[in-house]
Amino acid sequence: TQLLEQSPQFLSIQEGENLTVYCNSSSVFSSLQWYRQEPGEGPVLLVTVVTGGEVKKLKRLTFQFGDARKDSSLHITAAQPGDTGLYLCAGEGHNFNKFYFGSGTKLNVKP
Amino acid sequence: DSGVTQTPKHLITATGQRVTLRCSPRSGDLSVYWYQQSLDQGLQFLIQYYNGEERAKGNILERFSAQQFPDLHSELNLSSLELGDSALYFCASSVGSTSGRRGYEQYFGPGTRLTVT
Repeated sequence: TQLLEQSPQFLSIQEGENLTVYCNSSSVFSSLQWYRQEPGEGPVLLVTVVTGGEVKKLKRLTFQFGDARKDSSLHITAAQPGDTGLYLCAGEGHNFNKFYFGSGTKLNVKP
Repeated sequence: DSGVTQTPKHLITATGQRVTLRCSPRSGDLSVYWYQQSLDQGLQFLIQYYNGEERAKGNILERFSAQQFPDLHSELNLSSLELGDSALYFCASSVGSTSGRRGYEQYFGPGTRLTVT
């Protein structure tokens, strides 16, 4: 069983649509990171959130850390084909620097 | 380019064999992590080293071992290989520290694809 559950597992949308990906757990994390991974490559860090309730924006991407530091969401506005990839969340345990990854959300944005 | 290098990129070997995967962290990073990614299990944390010492252990099998050398590069040794060990193995590095700061960024290498036949 995964410590972090991501939903949905798969998402296929048209260019221009909005979407939200969720990352949930019953555990409290010291921090939470979001990554994007393309086929055959390593994950690339998008953002790190540390404080409960924290919201960070990266162009069309908005990340939120839950107040209780157990969950997070990633919202993409006006999705583009270049957003296609596997989105992974990773929670940092209280044994600092040990990260637990969710199973990922595979996003496909069709032109 | 993350600055983390991994060799080899691909490895095909037979069951029962032993292989060594190598990782060089980004310049200045002291911490190295190893992860296994298979199709049905996502990214699984295996082990972490900081400045040559083991810091954290995840779901690493007894057949697997790792070390970090004085020049900070790391090696992951996989022995008595089984078909189920076929996966992508990623190394990541971060500055890391013992100060208790949260959220150190991890930078991932391109991975080694291991196929056990």
